[in-house]
Amino acid sequence: GENVEQHPSTLSVQEGDSAVIKCTYSDSASNYFPWYKQELGKRPQLIIDIRSNVGEKKDQRIAVTLNKTAKHFSLHITETQPEDSAVYFCAASTGNTGNQFYFGTGTSLTVIP
Amino acid sequence: NAGVTQTPKFQVLKTGQSMTLQCAQDMNHNSMYWYRQDPGMGLRLIYYSASEGTTDKGEVPNGYNVSRLNKREFSLRLESAAPSQTSVYFCASIPRQSNTEAFFGQGTRLTVV
Repeated sequence: GENVEQHPSTLSVQEGDSAVIKCTYSDSASNYFPWYKQELGKRPQLIIDIRSNVGEKKDQRIAVTLNKTAKHFSLHITETQPEDSAVYFCAASTGNTGNQFYFGTGTSLTVIP
Repeated sequence: NAGVTQTPKFQVLKTGQSMTLQCAQDMNHNSMYWYRQDPGMGLRLIYYSASEGTTDKGEVPNGYNVSRLNKREFSLRLESAAPSQTSVYFCASIPRQSNTEAFFGQGTRLTVV
């Protein structure tokens, strides 16, 4: 099955700085890569996703890049704010029957005011 | 429109006891999933149901059983709880089309003593 690795496991940045979280995947058939944000005690919620026919996608302060050749994708958060503090999960899916998502182990981001 | 609803939110069991975690979605989604979340290990797939009437094992199915009662409901049963099953459990659902957002329930925090 798919193996998704995520780094770093913890990340602290000063408010206003940028944060980058990186993931690698193993299954070349994976073609959908979502990112979820989970605030303390809450459920994971989708913040951005990218499909394999696209190299980069941006939504305000959040961007995701995908390198299919190297099998890695990254989340970029610019101008970080305290409310960005949360755990972020990357995931990969092949879109096959069952549409299983394989998640990374998570990155705990702390934005220091 | 409640989305994905899980019950209960919290539960404490003694080793060897059984219980069923309930999950229901009102979005007419085809696929439903059960994940467990443990510190440093991300979200791991226990079982999934690609459509009504079908269920399949995920990454960590041992000690669990599931039932896809109808299109709306997908339950997870622990027949004989063990301390290793202490975790936060999330149910999720996805629409018919592949490679789209997964919607999560609010989670069940289970402690087995």
